[in-house]
Amino acid sequence: AQTVTQSQPEMSVQEAETVTLSCTYDTSESDYYLFWYKQPPSRQMILVIRQEAYKQQNATENRFSVNFQKAAKSFSLKISDSQLGDAAMYFCAYRSTNAGGTSYGKLTFGQGTILTVHP
Amino acid sequence: DGGITQSPKYLFRKEGQNVTLSCEQNLNHDAMYWYRQDPGQGLRLIYYSQIVNDFQKGDIAEGYSVSREKKESFPLTVTSAQKNPTAFYLCASSQQAYTEAFFGQGTRLTVV
Repeated sequence: AQTVTQSQPEMSVQEAETVTLSCTYDTSESDYYLFWYKQPPSRQMILVIRQEAYKQQNATENRFSVNFQKAAKSFSLKISDSQLGDAAMYFCAYRSTNAGGTSYGKLTFGQGTILTVHP
Repeated sequence: DGGITQSPKYLFRKEGQNVTLSCEQNLNHDAMYWYRQDPGQGLRLIYYSQIVNDFQKGDIAEGYSVSREKKESFPLTVTSAQKNPTAFYLCASSQQAYTEAFFGQGTRLTVV
């Protein structure tokens, strides 16, 4: 079974600085998708960025970028020029896309990292 | 507007009673999911469904049941067998396994 681990329960950053959130996962599959979601105090889940496992190029979305290390099964999120609105809980997620597998489509989340942004 | 609607937003249940949480989507998505979130915790998968009339147990399915009779609906029943049902429940849907999931606003269930 796939597992997702976020080893940092809490992180903090100064406004305008850069912070990196860690995520590791365990899988025997070769084809999958990885996601970072943000959950602000409103509790609405918001997609931040996604990465296809077959792509070596790291995904970027404006101030958000990932460092995807497939062999190490690591998927960290870097937030540049942090803003007060970035304060939230961040979740890493793994999605199985192995059509022949028993976990096809299963979307598994990590425990989350609470990010605080200091003005 | 397309989206996922969960109802009710707040739900109170007496111990020993079954309760059903509603999840409806008009995004024409094939896959739907139910998650449980406890305070300060991550999302734990209860059940998921890739197509109508088919669903799979997630990591914490005991004490819960679902049905998928229509593409747009995926109701979750919390049964009396669930010993600690007080939590925040999130429903999600996605078009395909390789696309992102969209989430509803959640239902907070409290046992009184």
